[in-house]
Amino acid sequence: GQQLNQSPQSMFIQEGEDVSMNCTSSSIFNTWLWYKQEPGEGPVLLIALYKAGELTSNGRLTAQFGITRKDSFLNISASIPSDVGIYFCAGYGGATNKLIFGTGTLLAVQP
Amino acid sequence: DVKVTQSSRYLVKRTGEKVFLECVQDMDHENMFWYRQDPGLGLRLIYFSYDVKMKEKGDIPEGYSVSREKKERFSLILESASTNQTSMYLCASSPGGPRTDTQYFGPGTRLTVL
Repeated sequence: GQQLNQSPQSMFIQEGEDVSMNCTSSSIFNTWLWYKQEPGEGPVLLIALYKAGELTSNGRLTAQFGITRKDSFLNISASIPSDVGIYFCAGYGGATNKLIFGTGTLLAVQP
Repeated sequence: DVKVTQSSRYLVKRTGEKVFLECVQDMDHENMFWYRQDPGLGLRLIYFSYDVKMKEKGDIPEGYSVSREKKERFSLILESASTNQTSMYLCASSPGGPRTDTQYFGPGTRLTVL
């Protein structure tokens, strides 16, 4: 099935560093979602974006819905060890009107 | 907080067995979904349901069936389990109306078929 392009694929950082990741699509989406998944668990919804240009925060996390509606960005400030996991973007709308998932970004944080 | 629960976290079954995976959500959501997640393939939609007793095929429905007798419960059935159905199975739900696209996931069931 279709997957969104998500980058970077993986990141290995020191505790306290800021993190940025993004997701791009060839289709226009009406909604962008960001999830975090820890090993052996289901994805947990972090941030939902419903409007082009929207910037939304959830604690140390900030996400933006790109103006073109074809991309989204997630930033994590002052990372901590419990931020470790795989971060997925998901877009809704486009040709299929289904939720399409990104390929995931693996984040590792060194204490 | 939305709560989606799945009946088992880990399950081991034998080839040919009939397998039931149960999912329950407590937020009165209209929509429910079953996905499987495999390394390198991401999340793939198996079946979904927009209402009680209604079901729609997703991208990979072969070898699976579903049942939604009550709004809060969505079951995935493997009629005759095979080794290639070893996977992580994820249930999700979303509300109707303007936020129908926002899906909330359960903790997953890791199924191994021997």
